[in-house]
Amino acid sequence: EAGVTQFPSHSVIEKGQTVTLRCDPISGHDNLYWYRRVMGKEIKFLLHFVKESKQDESGMPNNRFLAERTGGTYSTLKVQPAELEDSGVYFCASSQDGRAVGNEQFFGPGTRLTVL
Amino acid sequence: GIQVEQSPPDLILQEGANSTLRCNFSDSVNNLQWFHQNPWGQLINLFYIPSGTKQNGRLSATTVATERYSLLYISSSQTTDSGVYFCAVERYGNKLVFGAGTILRVKS
Repeated sequence: EAGVTQFPSHSVIEKGQTVTLRCDPISGHDNLYWYRRVMGKEIKFLLHFVKESKQDESGMPNNRFLAERTGGTYSTLKVQPAELEDSGVYFCASSQDGRAVGNEQFFGPGTRLTVL
Repeated sequence: GIQVEQSPPDLILQEGANSTLRCNFSDSVNNLQWFHQNPWGQLINLFYIPSGTKQNGRLSATTVATERYSLLYISSSQTTDSGVYFCAVERYGNKLVFGAGTILRVKS
């Protein structure tokens, strides 16, 4: 069974540009999450989808970040326009049952974003 | 919100030594996971352990939910064990709250 995959693995962009990160969850997983670790700080939650619906987006830092999960399969996270403080590693995770709490979350390899 | 504290923040071991990493959390949780972030930045699932004890090879973990702590044991450490170990807990709404991590360096 394939794990969570993310693309690209690394992205280097100029301040003001737009970047789109993609996450493909484990097949059949209803829940999809985005997290990020910036500047060596703690890994922080960004948002949570249950299928195609945003369940919780309380961690999204501002309106420059837009996440979508059309059709309840893969998800994209767009940063527009990117700022220097957006540099870090963006992780995607998925878990199985959308209704239950306490599901084990499985993480992708992350996308390292560098904004110059 | 829930607080997660990991100790020690840094640990240097000689290859072959054993170690114990600790995770304290401030409230009851539905989920607790341990991860290893390898030198390439990937987060590897080690244990899903909201309570009880589990073992996987040289690693084992114990969570005492009533006392709000979890321990990760690494025995006979190897250089490939180096990296950052994270504890993460979930209290509400399926979102994990991470600790700051323990940086482990295993020297040969």
